[in-house]
Order: sequence, then structure tokens, then C-alpha cells
Amino acid sequence: AQSVTQLGSHVSVSEGALVLLRCNYSSSVPPYLFWYVQYPNQGLQLLLKYTSAATLVKGINGFEAEFKKSETSFHLTKPSAHMSDAAEYFCAVSGLSGGGADGLTFGKGTHLIIQP
Amino acid sequence: DAGITQSPRHKVTETGTPVTLRCHQTENHRYMYWYRQDPGHGLRLIHYSYGVKDTDKGEVSDGYSVSRSKTEDFLLTLESATSSQTSVYFCAIKDVAGGPGEQYFGPGTRLTVT
Repeated sequence: AQSVTQLGSHVSVSEGALVLLRCNYSSSVPPYLFWYVQYPNQGLQLLLKYTSAATLVKGINGFEAEFKKSETSFHLTKPSAHMSDAAEYFCAVSGLSGGGADGLTFGKGTHLIIQP
Repeated sequence: DAGITQSPRHKVTETGTPVTLRCHQTENHRYMYWYRQDPGHGLRLIHYSYGVKDTDKGEVSDGYSVSRSKTEDFLLTLESATSSQTSVYFCAIKDVAGGPGEQYFGPGTRLTVT
């Protein structure tokens, strides 16, 4: 069975500073990994995904994530935070090979706060 | 936009009453999912469907049932609602063409059981 751990339920950064949201996974097979963002009172929006094509993945809104197999990590970064980045961020792993009907297993989420 | 709608968007109901939430998609995706979101728990899978009349249980299926009589609709039913089922419920579809595991979510239904 796979699991996802997000370190830090709340992360606060200043506007313009580096954003780093941490995600570690456990999976018995090569994983497919995702980051989703949720703005207040909205659904989840796919930010980026890792599907083994490249270890450094670029997503929307200037975010990127690096897959490190040796560290079983998939941390999300953005060089310069913007006020509009304030939201809840979820890391997720796809079941088994990612095919079939398997659902996603989510981390508990990290609330990103941007200080002016 | 994955063409997913959920209804109702908000509902308040009393303990012991039956409740049905509807998820509707417009793009003929085979796989559909129901998740619940609770503070400190992230999203957890309730049930999923891999085709018309083909469904299976997820991580937190107790107290819930589902039905899928046509491709575009996936219904989640709480037979007798309890306060522990107060949550935000999200429907999702898997876009197989987009890559392994990629899912898109509806806007959610906020359910309060009093």
C-alpha cells in the first residue's frame, strides 16, 4: 500500500521568498505523483505531475517539483512567492501502476500562507 | 475544465435521513470517484466506478453506497446520515488520455449533518 506524508500542516513565507513544500511517499512500485492546489471554497486543481518521463517537473503558476527516488521525495518549489499562491496544497500518489481504476492517496495537505 | 458538476453544492440534513449526492460529467470518462475531505485528513477515497454498474469500495466506504446506471452520472448515497459524515465531498474523473492516474475534480458538495 502506498502512503504520502506532507511535512508541515502550515508553511508561512514572505512575498518574494522561496516556497518549499515537502512531500515524501512510500510505494511498493514506481509511483505516479501529483501536486494539487485548492483555493478557498473551491475544488482541487492539478498543479503538476510526475509520470517517470523526467525527474524535474514544471507545472502551472511557476511551480516545479523534483522526484528523488533515493529520498522517496517529491518536494514542491517556487522561486518567488506571490500573494495569490496562498492556498492549500496536496501531494498525492496513484495506486499501483497508475492504470486501472485505482484512486489517489493524498497527504493531509499543507496550508501555504504568504506574508506581505 | 473537465466538465464535472456536483449537486447539490450545499446541504444541511438531520441525523438518520437519507441523502444522495450527484456527480455529472459531460466527457464520457470511464472512471469516476468519490472522495471526502476533512481537516487534518486530506482527501480519502470512498467509492469508485470503472464503468456502468461497476463499482468498488475505497478506504472509507462504511455508511456509503454508490450507483452508476449511466456513464455520465455517479451517485453517492448516505442511507442514514450521521454527524461523522459531515464533510466536503468531491467527485473526480480519471482522464486516461492525460496520463497515468491523473484525476480532475468537481467543485465539491458541503454536507452538514445536524
